[in-house]
Amino acid sequence: ETGVTQTPRHLVMGMTNKKSLKCEQHLGHNAMYWYKQSAKKPLELMFVYSLEERVENNSVPSRFSPECPNSSHLFLHLHTLQPEDSALYLCASSQSPTAEAFFGQGTRLTVV
Amino acid sequence: AQSVAQPEDQVNVAEGNPLTVKCTYSVSGNPYLFWYVQYPNRGLQFLLKYITGDNLVKGSYGFEAEFNKSQTSFHLKKPSALVSDSALYFCAVRDSNNDMRFGAGTRLTVKP
Repeated sequence: ETGVTQTPRHLVMGMTNKKSLKCEQHLGHNAMYWYKQSAKKPLELMFVYSLEERVENNSVPSRFSPECPNSSHLFLHLHTLQPEDSALYLCASSQSPTAEAFFGQGTRLTVV
Repeated sequence: AQSVAQPEDQVNVAEGNPLTVKCTYSVSGNPYLFWYVQYPNRGLQFLLKYITGDNLVKGSYGFEAEFNKSQTSFHLKKPSALVSDSALYFCAVRDSNNDMRFGAGTRLTVKP
Protein backbone atom coordinates (compact mmCIF):
# COMPACT_ATOMS: atom_id res chain seq x y z
CA GLU A 1 0.00 0.00 0.00
CA THR A 2 1.18 3.51 -0.82
CA GLY A 3 -0.50 5.34 2.06
CA VAL A 4 -3.05 6.98 -0.22
CA THR A 5 -6.57 5.58 0.07
CA GLN A 6 -9.40 6.20 -2.35
CA THR A 7 -13.07 5.39 -1.89
CA PRO A 8 -15.12 4.01 -3.42
CA ARG A 9 -13.12 1.65 -5.62
CA HIS A 10 -15.96 1.36 -8.10
CA LEU A 11 -18.85 3.71 -8.84
CA VAL A 12 -21.69 3.54 -11.33
CA MET A 13 -23.79 6.66 -11.65
CA GLY A 14 -26.45 8.07 -13.90
CA MET A 15 -25.99 11.33 -15.74
CA THR A 16 -28.32 13.15 -13.36
CA ASN A 17 -26.74 11.85 -10.17
CA LYS A 18 -24.46 13.66 -7.75
CA LYS A 19 -21.65 11.70 -6.16
CA SER A 20 -18.29 12.34 -4.55
CA LEU A 21 -14.94 10.61 -4.68
CA LYS A 22 -12.77 10.65 -1.58
CA CYS A 23 -9.02 10.54 -1.17
CA GLU A 24 -7.11 10.36 2.09
CA GLN A 25 -3.41 10.43 2.88
CA HIS A 26 -1.62 10.40 6.21
CA LEU A 27 1.87 10.73 4.81
CA GLY A 28 2.26 14.34 5.82
CA HIS A 29 2.37 15.45 2.21
CA ASN A 30 1.66 19.03 1.24
CA ALA A 31 0.35 18.55 -2.27
CA MET A 32 -2.54 16.47 -3.57
CA TYR A 33 -3.71 15.79 -7.11
CA TRP A 34 -6.56 14.39 -9.13
CA TYR A 35 -5.80 12.58 -12.38
CA LYS A 36 -8.09 11.03 -14.96
CA GLN A 37 -6.96 7.86 -16.72
CA SER A 38 -8.83 6.87 -19.84
CA ALA A 39 -8.07 3.94 -22.07
CA LYS A 40 -5.19 4.56 -24.48
CA LYS A 41 -4.72 8.15 -23.38
CA PRO A 42 -2.08 9.77 -21.19
CA LEU A 43 -2.95 10.48 -17.62
CA GLU A 44 -4.68 13.83 -17.48
CA LEU A 45 -3.85 16.13 -14.61
CA MET A 46 -7.15 17.62 -13.43
CA PHE A 47 -6.48 19.50 -10.21
CA VAL A 48 -3.53 20.35 -8.00
CA TYR A 49 -3.76 21.44 -4.40
CA SER A 50 -0.75 22.73 -2.51
CA LEU A 51 -1.13 23.46 1.19
CA GLU A 52 -4.90 23.11 0.78
CA GLU A 53 -5.11 25.80 -1.88
CA ARG A 54 -5.94 24.99 -5.46
CA VAL A 55 -3.02 25.96 -7.63
CA GLU A 56 -4.06 24.51 -10.95
CA ASN A 57 -7.20 23.63 -12.82
CA ASN A 58 -6.39 22.21 -16.20
CA SER A 59 -9.50 23.48 -17.93
CA VAL A 60 -11.62 20.79 -16.35
CA PRO A 61 -15.39 21.07 -16.93
CA SER A 62 -17.35 22.55 -14.08
CA ARG A 63 -19.25 19.29 -13.60
CA PHE A 64 -16.11 18.25 -11.70
CA SER A 65 -15.65 20.18 -8.47
CA PRO A 66 -12.71 19.52 -6.13
CA GLU A 67 -12.57 20.20 -2.44
CA CYS A 68 -9.60 20.05 -0.09
CA PRO A 69 -10.81 20.66 3.48
CA ASN A 70 -7.42 19.86 5.02
CA SER A 71 -4.02 18.57 4.01
CA SER A 72 -5.04 14.93 4.45
CA HIS A 73 -8.28 14.84 2.49
CA LEU A 74 -9.27 15.56 -1.06
CA PHE A 75 -12.68 15.18 -2.65
CA LEU A 76 -13.94 15.26 -6.19
CA HIS A 77 -17.62 16.16 -6.41
CA LEU A 78 -19.39 14.96 -9.52
CA HIS A 79 -22.67 16.13 -11.02
CA THR A 80 -24.43 15.81 -14.37
CA LEU A 81 -21.60 13.77 -15.84
CA GLN A 82 -21.43 12.45 -19.38
CA PRO A 83 -20.68 8.90 -20.52
CA GLU A 84 -17.28 10.06 -21.80
CA ASP A 85 -16.37 10.90 -18.22
CA SER A 86 -16.18 7.18 -17.49
CA ALA A 87 -12.58 6.49 -16.50
CA LEU A 88 -10.26 5.60 -13.67
CA TYR A 89 -9.82 8.57 -11.36
CA LEU A 90 -6.55 8.59 -9.48
CA CYS A 91 -5.59 10.61 -6.46
CA ALA A 92 -1.96 11.27 -5.60
CA SER A 93 0.08 13.18 -3.06
CA SER A 94 3.65 14.39 -2.80
CA GLN A 95 5.86 16.06 -0.27
CA SER A 96 7.53 18.64 -2.46
CA PRO A 97 7.79 19.84 -6.05
CA THR A 98 10.71 17.52 -6.76
CA ALA A 99 9.39 14.50 -4.92
CA GLU A 100 7.68 11.51 -6.39
CA ALA A 101 3.93 11.21 -6.15
CA PHE A 102 2.20 8.43 -4.27
CA PHE A 103 -0.98 7.19 -5.90
CA GLY A 104 -4.12 5.64 -4.57
CA GLN A 105 -5.63 2.60 -6.25
CA GLY A 106 -8.17 4.71 -8.05
CA THR A 107 -11.93 4.85 -8.43
CA ARG A 108 -13.33 3.16 -11.53
CA LEU A 109 -16.20 5.43 -12.56
CA THR A 110 -18.86 4.39 -15.03
CA VAL A 111 -21.45 6.93 -16.16
CA VAL A 112 -24.60 5.40 -17.62
CA ALA B 1 5.12 23.38 -21.81
CA GLN B 2 6.70 20.24 -20.51
CA SER B 3 5.85 16.88 -22.03
CA VAL B 4 7.04 13.32 -22.29
CA ALA B 5 6.78 10.86 -25.13
CA GLN B 6 6.82 7.10 -24.96
CA PRO B 7 7.26 6.03 -28.57
CA GLU B 8 6.31 2.39 -28.05
CA ASP B 9 2.81 1.30 -27.09
CA GLN B 10 3.99 -2.24 -26.54
CA VAL B 11 7.30 -3.92 -25.72
CA ASN B 12 7.69 -7.69 -25.75
CA VAL B 13 10.71 -9.47 -24.33
CA ALA B 14 11.57 -13.00 -23.32
CA GLU B 15 12.17 -13.80 -19.68
CA GLY B 16 15.83 -13.44 -18.79
CA ASN B 17 16.55 -11.00 -21.60
CA PRO B 18 17.35 -7.33 -21.01
CA LEU B 19 14.51 -4.87 -21.43
CA THR B 20 14.35 -1.22 -22.39
CA VAL B 21 11.30 1.04 -22.25
CA LYS B 22 11.91 4.34 -24.00
CA CYS B 23 11.05 7.87 -22.89
CA THR B 24 11.94 11.26 -24.27
CA TYR B 25 11.07 14.57 -22.68
CA SER B 26 10.67 18.23 -23.44
CA VAL B 27 10.89 20.70 -20.60
CA SER B 28 12.13 24.19 -19.92
CA GLY B 29 14.64 24.37 -17.13
CA ASN B 30 15.96 21.40 -15.21
CA PRO B 31 13.97 18.23 -15.70
CA TYR B 32 12.73 16.12 -12.83
CA LEU B 33 12.02 12.73 -14.35
CA PHE B 34 10.15 9.72 -12.98
CA TRP B 35 9.15 6.20 -13.86
CA TYR B 36 6.03 4.52 -12.55
CA VAL B 37 4.54 1.06 -13.01
CA GLN B 38 0.86 0.14 -13.00
CA TYR B 39 -0.43 -3.37 -12.48
CA PRO B 40 -4.01 -4.28 -13.44
CA ASN B 41 -6.69 -2.56 -11.37
CA ARG B 42 -4.10 -0.73 -9.32
CA GLY B 43 -2.78 2.78 -9.02
CA LEU B 44 0.67 3.82 -10.14
CA GLN B 45 3.69 2.75 -8.15
CA PHE B 46 6.87 4.79 -8.07
CA LEU B 47 9.97 3.07 -9.48
CA LEU B 48 12.71 5.68 -9.65
CA LYS B 49 13.50 9.31 -10.29
CA TYR B 50 16.18 11.61 -11.62
CA ILE B 51 16.61 14.99 -10.00
CA THR B 52 20.31 15.68 -10.28
CA GLY B 53 23.63 13.86 -9.98
CA ASP B 54 24.58 10.58 -11.62
CA ASN B 55 22.97 9.96 -14.95
CA LEU B 56 22.33 6.31 -14.09
CA VAL B 57 19.58 6.00 -11.52
CA LYS B 58 18.77 2.76 -9.74
CA GLY B 59 15.28 2.02 -8.48
CA SER B 60 12.93 -0.63 -7.21
CA TYR B 61 12.73 -4.25 -8.40
CA GLY B 62 16.10 -4.11 -10.20
CA PHE B 63 15.10 -1.35 -12.59
CA GLU B 64 17.38 1.48 -13.58
CA ALA B 65 17.16 4.44 -15.92
CA GLU B 66 19.71 6.49 -17.77
CA PHE B 67 19.34 10.24 -18.07
CA ASN B 68 20.76 11.57 -21.33
CA LYS B 69 20.61 15.33 -21.57
CA SER B 70 21.85 15.62 -25.14
CA GLN B 71 19.22 13.18 -26.38
CA THR B 72 16.57 14.39 -23.89
CA SER B 73 15.89 10.78 -22.99
CA PHE B 74 15.28 8.81 -19.81
CA HIS B 75 14.98 5.17 -20.85
CA LEU B 76 14.03 2.51 -18.31
CA LYS B 77 16.15 -0.63 -18.27
CA LYS B 78 16.51 -3.95 -16.54
CA PRO B 79 19.30 -6.46 -17.23
CA SER B 80 17.13 -9.56 -16.89
CA ALA B 81 13.35 -9.42 -17.28
CA LEU B 82 10.90 -11.41 -15.18
CA VAL B 83 7.41 -12.51 -16.16
CA SER B 84 6.17 -10.57 -13.13
CA ASP B 85 7.54 -7.36 -14.68
CA SER B 86 4.67 -7.46 -17.16
CA ALA B 87 2.69 -4.28 -16.56
CA LEU B 88 2.04 -0.77 -17.85
CA TYR B 89 4.96 1.64 -17.46
CA PHE B 90 4.70 5.41 -17.37
CA CYS B 91 7.37 8.04 -17.74
CA ALA B 92 6.66 11.43 -16.15
CA VAL B 93 8.26 14.85 -15.96
CA ARG B 94 7.80 17.57 -13.38
CA ASP B 95 8.96 21.12 -13.76
CA SER B 96 9.36 23.96 -11.33
CA ASN B 97 5.64 24.74 -11.56
CA ASN B 98 4.94 21.51 -9.72
CA ASP B 99 3.08 19.98 -12.65
CA MET B 100 3.67 16.28 -13.23
CA ARG B 101 2.90 15.20 -16.78
CA PHE B 102 2.77 11.58 -17.85
CA GLY B 103 3.42 9.80 -21.09
CA ALA B 104 0.80 7.60 -22.69
CA GLY B 105 2.34 4.49 -21.20
CA THR B 106 4.09 1.43 -22.58
CA ARG B 107 2.73 -2.06 -22.02
CA LEU B 108 5.55 -4.47 -21.24
CA THR B 109 4.95 -8.16 -21.76
CA VAL B 110 7.57 -10.62 -20.62
CA LYS B 111 7.06 -14.10 -21.99
CA PRO B 112 8.35 -17.24 -20.28
